[in-house]
Amino acid sequence: EAGVAQSPRYKIIEKRQSVAFWCNPISGHATLYWYQQILGQGPKLLIQFQNNGVVDDSQLPKDRFSAERLKGVDSTLKIQPAKLEDSAVYLCASSQATWRNDQPQHFGDGTRLSIL
Amino acid sequence: SQKIEQNSEALNIQEGKTATLTCNYTNYSPAYLQWYRQDPGRGPVFLLLIRENEKEKRKERLKVTFDTTLKQSLFHITASQPADSATYLCALDNYGQNFVFGPGTRLSVLP
Repeated sequence: EAGVAQSPRYKIIEKRQSVAFWCNPISGHATLYWYQQILGQGPKLLIQFQNNGVVDDSQLPKDRFSAERLKGVDSTLKIQPAKLEDSAVYLCASSQATWRNDQPQHFGDGTRLSIL
Repeated sequence: SQKIEQNSEALNIQEGKTATLTCNYTNYSPAYLQWYRQDPGRGPVFLLLIRENEKEKRKERLKVTFDTTLKQSLFHITASQPADSATYLCALDNYGQNFVFGPGTRLSVLP
C-alpha cells in the first residue's frame, strides 16, 4: 500500500509570512494527525481528525495555525503569520483507529520548516 | 503534572549486545503503549504495540514489557546491529483518544 504523502519536504520562509503543508493519508484510514516535532524532542500532537471532523485540537495555537480535512481524505495545515519558534518538522500520520487506540500510526516523512 | 521520560538522551552499545531502553510515565493510565523507530530526516515507523493486560510482546529480535504498577515499559533489542542505530520513541495511549510521545532515546550500535 502507498504510504502517507506529504509536501513540500522543505520550506524556508521569513517570520510573519504564511505557509501551508499538504498531507495525503493512506487510503481508507479514518483518522489523521498533524504533529510538530522540534529538534531533539518527540512529536507533539497539534490536531486530530476522524473523517472530516476534529477530535482534538487542544494544542493547536489557533491564533496562527489552522487545519482542514475536506471530504475526509487530504488535509492541509496552515501557519499565518509564522514565528521563529515555529521552526520544526511537521509530521502527518494516519491510522485505522476509530473508537479504540489499538492501531499503529503511519507517518509521512514530514515537512522541515525553517523560519528566518 | 503528566510526564513521559525515556532513559538518557543517547545510548551507546557494542554490536551483538542487548540494548534496553526505558519509558517511564507519571499521571497517565494508558491502555496501550507503542514503540516507534525514527531515522534522521524520516517519520517514525511503528514497531510494537502492547496492551495494559499484556506483560510482554515479542517480534523477531524485539521485546517489549509493560508494567502498569511501576508505570514503565522496557524495550529490548537482542543481538543488536549497527543498522539498529536510530532514535526510539515510546507513545502512550491518552485516555483512548490519541497518543502522547516521549522525547526519544538515540541508540548507537558500535561495530
